Amino acid sequence: RKEVEQDPGPFNVPEGATVAFNCTYSNSASQSFFWYRQDCRKEPKLLMSVYSSGNEDGRFTAQLNRASQYISLLIRDSKLSDSATYLCVVNSDNYGQNFVFGPGTRLSVLP
Amino acid sequence: ETGVTQTPRHLVMGMTNKKSLKCEQHLGHNAMYWYKQSAKKPLELMFVYSLEERVENNSVPSRFSPECPNSSHLFLHLHTLQPEDSALYLCASSQEFRGDEQFFGPGTRLTVL
Repeated sequence: RKEVEQDPGPFNVPEGATVAFNCTYSNSASQSFFWYRQDCRKEPKLLMSVYSSGNEDGRFTAQLNRASQYISLLIRDSKLSDSATYLCVVNSDNYGQNFVFGPGTRLSVLP
Repeated sequence: ETGVTQTPRHLVMGMTNKKSLKCEQHLGHNAMYWYKQSAKKPLELMFVYSLEERVENNSVPSRFSPECPNSSHLFLHLHTLQPEDSALYLCASSQEFRGDEQFFGPGTRLTVL
């Protein structure tokens, strides 16, 4: 089983739709979790950290389920500019050495 | 300059060449990283430096050699590469070597002929 798994998509959704991505991880000792966004031929950029209590930033909501070992990202009222690949990142200890990226989920928001 | 910068942005080299990739971070961070991103594969962590001390990644071939002269600069020296080494090489930094969020440079797109 891969350390971090994501549905590669693509997810094609109309503007204004709500879309959710899941990410599963295999190491139950994982400490910290992030969602990054990567536009085509660009570097990844931090979208949001994922906290145990869940967190929200505008149209984006991240949730962590430690028991089932998955994190989720919900995007509400999607915009054309949300089209990108969304990378789930799991850190398996307190050090950056085990910063593991998932393969990413590609989202296309259509007019 | 702000953030993390990388040069060159594009590099084409033959298998017998020697070249170096440069990364500079202007964020005052203490940890720096090299990643490789190949088509249709997840980012692969290659090397980590914390306060200029290297953390080995044993799966990286010796034809890749990192150097960290100070906490702001990171190099990746390349020699006798193979065509399968063609990829996007990304540098990142974080405040500490502690699982903090990482900030990425724009990458160097490398093609090995």
